[in-house]
Amino acid sequence: QKEVEQDPGPLSVPEGAIVSLNCTYSNSAFQYFMWYRQYSRKGPELLMYTYSSGNKEDGRFTAQVDKSSKYISLFIRDSQPSDSATYLCAMSGGGTSYGKLTFGQGTILTVHP
Amino acid sequence: GAGVSQSPRYKVAKRGQDVALRCDPISGHVSLFWYQQALGQGPEFLTYFQNEAQLDKSGLPSDRFFAERPEGSVSTLKIQRTQQEDSAVYLCASSPDSAGELFFGEGSRLTVL
Repeated sequence: QKEVEQDPGPLSVPEGAIVSLNCTYSNSAFQYFMWYRQYSRKGPELLMYTYSSGNKEDGRFTAQVDKSSKYISLFIRDSQPSDSATYLCAMSGGGTSYGKLTFGQGTILTVHP
Repeated sequence: GAGVSQSPRYKVAKRGQDVALRCDPISGHVSLFWYQQALGQGPEFLTYFQNEAQLDKSGLPSDRFFAERPEGSVSTLKIQRTQQEDSAVYLCASSPDSAGELFFGEGSRLTVL
């Protein structure tokens, strides 16, 4: 079993919908939790970053971390066609291993007009 | 450009050939990472440099994989005697310090025939 599990989808929603993306993990040492967006044939780009448990909001995006359940979520409100991409959750243990990220498989999202 | 630059963007190799993939990080970035992304999967950590020092190479899949960053800037990932299972996108990322955001390049797509 992988350390980080993510439903690969694909997920198809109409424009304006609320999108919920989720990951579960097994390693209790993870302290930093990120969501990356990856367009086709591009590198991942950081969307949201959260330290430990809690919520973080940035515009239409909200990230939630529940360390007790080892479960993280990303919500996208008022989704747009430009949000169509692969969304990757990632996590690390911090310290000198901060950049040593463990990624989920990625969820392919399509937002249709 | 100001981003992470990788070359070549596409490489086709015959099984058994050696390949070298280059990464030009963002100027001044101390940390440099290599990740491998198989088709339909999330990136997987290969190795990490801080300046010219290779601090973690635990993700390199075999001794056929070798990475260097001799002057603490440009890095090269070398794969000897390529195998079909080496086919993947190789992503380089740099960070201004050991705990900063990772900025990914667009990757080098390797196909081994």
